[in-house]
Amino acid sequence: GNSVTQMEGPVTLSEEAFLTINCTYTATGYPSLFWYVQYPGEGLQLLLKATKADDKGSNKGFEATYRKETTSFHLEKGSVQVSDSAVYFCALSDLNAGGTSYGKLTFGQGTILTVHP
Amino acid sequence: GAVVSQHPSWVICKSGTSVKIECRSLDFQATTMFWYRQFPKQSLMLMATSNEGSKATYEQGVEKDKFLINHASLTLSTLTVTSAHPEDSSFYICSARDVAGGGWEQYFGPGTRLTVT
Repeated sequence: GNSVTQMEGPVTLSEEAFLTINCTYTATGYPSLFWYVQYPGEGLQLLLKATKADDKGSNKGFEATYRKETTSFHLEKGSVQVSDSAVYFCALSDLNAGGTSYGKLTFGQGTILTVHP
Repeated sequence: GAVVSQHPSWVICKSGTSVKIECRSLDFQATTMFWYRQFPKQSLMLMATSNEGSKATYEQGVEKDKFLINHASLTLSTLTVTSAHPEDSSFYICSARDVAGGGWEQYFGPGTRLTVT
């Protein structure tokens, strides 16, 4: 079955530090990969996605590259801000047979990020 | 962006009673809704998938008679935990997707914290 493993947190950084949150996956076929972010008191929001090998997803300064050879999708940001403090979830999903819609999401356990001024 | 709400945000109930959690899509028609359960420091686990007007599809190991899901309208799904016990205490999260509108993305509610005493 599918599975996602994230680096354990919590991660605590100073403002403007470099961020990496590791994510590796196990899946049959060719999954699509996602990073979701959950701010305090809010629902999960899609941060970025990549649908095939070597794709790079990016949004709000965050980036992640789909590495099929290492089955990884690490999240990076060059300079974090206090407002980036949140819980980050790596996830994968299989496309359906027709390639037109996504199947079930499988999540990692989440990584708590705290950024101090 | 699309908004999904959940009510209540937290609930405490006595062992043996039932509790209902509502999930609403506020600005789109949710043809498909998902219910997840999250334990502390663990990932979201999919419980069931429901399509409007159809019976829910439960994941392996989820008791369908205990976790009753109703998706009677395009904007509302409910999860009823029947005869709740302390081990049902958890964080329940719903998400919704507008499949009929061609959307693939899942939009998440903020979650409901259930405590059974």
